[in-house]
Amino acid sequence: DAMVIQNPRYQVTQFGKPVTLSCSQTLNHNVMYWYQQKSSQAPKLLFHYYDKDFNNEADTPDNFQSRRPNTSFCFLDIRSPGLGDAAMYLCATSRDVGAGEKLFFGSGTQLSVL
Amino acid sequence: QKEVEQDPGPLSVPEGAIVSLNCTYSNSAFQYFMWYRQYSRKGPELLMYTYSSGNKEDGRFTAQVDKSSKYISLFIRDSQPSDSATYLCALIIQGAQKLVFGQGTRLTINP
Repeated sequence: DAMVIQNPRYQVTQFGKPVTLSCSQTLNHNVMYWYQQKSSQAPKLLFHYYDKDFNNEADTPDNFQSRRPNTSFCFLDIRSPGLGDAAMYLCATSRDVGAGEKLFFGSGTQLSVL
Repeated sequence: QKEVEQDPGPLSVPEGAIVSLNCTYSNSAFQYFMWYRQYSRKGPELLMYTYSSGNKEDGRFTAQVDKSSKYISLFIRDSQPSDSATYLCALIIQGAQKLVFGQGTRLTINP
C-alpha cells in the first residue's frame, strides 16, 4: 500500500500559470519534505515542515511556496512557473528530523512547463 | 567541490555480475550513510542504511563505509535485470536536518 501519495503523477502547465502539486501520507509522520529533481541530477531540498513549522532552504526561489493544512497533507505551489522549473517534484516524509531518521518518498510528480 | 561525488554512469553489466557503486565525500562530519534506489519515473526508495564505518549486508546487497578514506560503496551480487535503476547515495551529519544526495549512478543489467 502506498504510504506517500503524490498527485498528479504528470502535470503540464503553461509558462507563468500557477500550479499546485499535492502530497498525502498515511504514516502519521511529523516531517514532510519537498524535493526538486531535474534529469540526471540529485534531488534538491526546497523546504520541509516539522509539524506546522515551515523551514525554507536558503536558495529556494520565492516562486516556490508550500502549505501544510494538517498532518496528512502538504502542497507545493509554484506561483509563476518558468521553463527552468520543469522537473520531477518529490514529496518525502520522516517520523522526526535528525541524522537517524529515514525518508520515505512518494512516486513524484513530473512537471512540464510549456 | 561538491560535498558528495558520485559517478553518474551509465553503467551496463551482464546479468549475474557483481556490481560496485561508489561515492566519495569531503566532510568528515557525515555519520549516516544511505543508498536509495530509484526506478525510472518513480521516487527513491531506501535500500541500505549504515552508521559509521563497516559493512552491512542485506541479501544480495552489501553497503560498505570507509570513513578514513571518505568512501562508501554498494555491492550487488548476482545482479538481476530488475536491479536496473539509478542508485543514489545519501549522507547526513549528526544533528543536521538535511540529507545530501549524490548525483546518482544509472545502472543497467543486461539479460
